[in-house]
Amino acid sequence: NAGVTQTPKFQVLKTGQSMTLQCAQDMNHEYMSWYRQDPGMGLRLIHYSVGAGITDQGEVPNGYNVSRSTTEDFPLRLLSAAPSQTSVYFCASSSAEGTYEQYFGPGTRLTVT
Amino acid sequence: KNEVEQSPQNLTAQEGEFITINCSYSVGISALHWLQQHPGGGIVSLFMLSSGKKKHGRLIATINIQEKHSSLHITASHPRDSAVYICAVNPYMDSNYQLIWGAGTKLIIKP
Repeated sequence: NAGVTQTPKFQVLKTGQSMTLQCAQDMNHEYMSWYRQDPGMGLRLIHYSVGAGITDQGEVPNGYNVSRSTTEDFPLRLLSAAPSQTSVYFCASSSAEGTYEQYFGPGTRLTVT
Repeated sequence: KNEVEQSPQNLTAQEGEFITINCSYSVGISALHWLQQHPGGGIVSLFMLSSGKKKHGRLIATINIQEKHSSLHITASHPRDSAVYICAVNPYMDSNYQLIWGAGTKLIIKP
């Protein structure tokens, strides 16, 4: 199993550009989440999904969109990048049953200039 | 006041020392997680606890539900244990995707 994969690992954008961060998991997990991690701060939840076709907002959703058309994939779209979105982005998944153990992707380091 | 608080924020110790990192929370929980993040690296789940104690190698995690407190211990610490250790909780009666996160404890082990 590959676990949780994220692409790209690094990205530089100019203000106003849009892009999609990809996240995929091969563990058949129902729950998937996107977090951002800023220096000196804990993880903050952007959006999450409890299954295909179902998404909801987290703590810091503004400027981001998500969709969940399949169980495996959960892309995060930046609509019009701003310097405040410079951060490291992590995708995570977990099962709806059992241990609730969190599985994280390797992260995407995004810089918006 | 944060619902999940970790202490200390930063910890520097010598190789071989016994390390304790604390996590206190103010909500009822169904589970507590300890995770590890190496510098520039990804986040790895170490333990998920709902009661008692768990051990994996040199790592031990304990939880006291009544006192709303958990500790992560590292025995015979090694420089490769240098990382940020993060505590997170599943609030009781909430779905497991809404974790509440601590700010993390940065641990440096000097050789």
